[in-house]
Amino acid sequence: DAKTTQPPSMDCAEGRAANLPCNHSTISGNEYVYWYRQIHSQGPQYIIHGLKNNETNEMASLIITEDRKSSTLILPHATLRDTAVYYCIVSISGTYKYIFGTGTRLKVLA
Amino acid sequence: DAGITQSPRHKVTETGTPVTLRCHQTENHRYMYWYRQDPGHGLRLIHYSYGVKDTDKGEVSDGYSVSRSKTEDFLLTLESATSSQTSVYFCAISESGQGNYGYTFGSGTRLTVV
Repeated sequence: DAKTTQPPSMDCAEGRAANLPCNHSTISGNEYVYWYRQIHSQGPQYIIHGLKNNETNEMASLIITEDRKSSTLILPHATLRDTAVYYCIVSISGTYKYIFGTGTRLKVLA
Repeated sequence: DAGITQSPRHKVTETGTPVTLRCHQTENHRYMYWYRQDPGHGLRLIHYSYGVKDTDKGEVSDGYSVSRSKTEDFLLTLESATSSQTSVYFCAISESGQGNYGYTFGSGTRLTVV
């Protein structure tokens, strides 16, 4: 099963882009990369996911390297409300369960 | 989140008593999951369901059982609560078990076992 590695914490200035890295060097060909975030004690919130190509939605962009061994979540203009723990997850092929790591605690600074 | 509710939101119970947590969805999603979250551990999967009466164990299933008699309800039972089961419990739903759909999480149940 592919595992992910994320830095434990990052800071970002308000209004700047937040770039959150994730390493998933053991990912297999049919596994997707997912990003979620958890604000304070709320339930995690889905942000974006991708397989090979870069993806963009109203919340963020996901850049996946060509070898798929790492990815970056980009919040283009971070706000104070983006302060949260961000989880990078790789779906486990052939099963129905995701494994959450401990994520990156992003703090957006005024 | 709209479409998924957990009850109760908070519960305090005594060691050795049975406890049932309920997850209810109105999205008609096939897959439902129970996670627990503890400081330093992130979210850990307890049990999941891939259809009515179809369930399987996750990473930390000892001491927990589940039932799914209807598409919309997924119950998590602690047969005899212990202090180590003090945690925040999250339910999640998804249309597909793998690949191209994300999860929607509930707001959580904070359980304290004293």
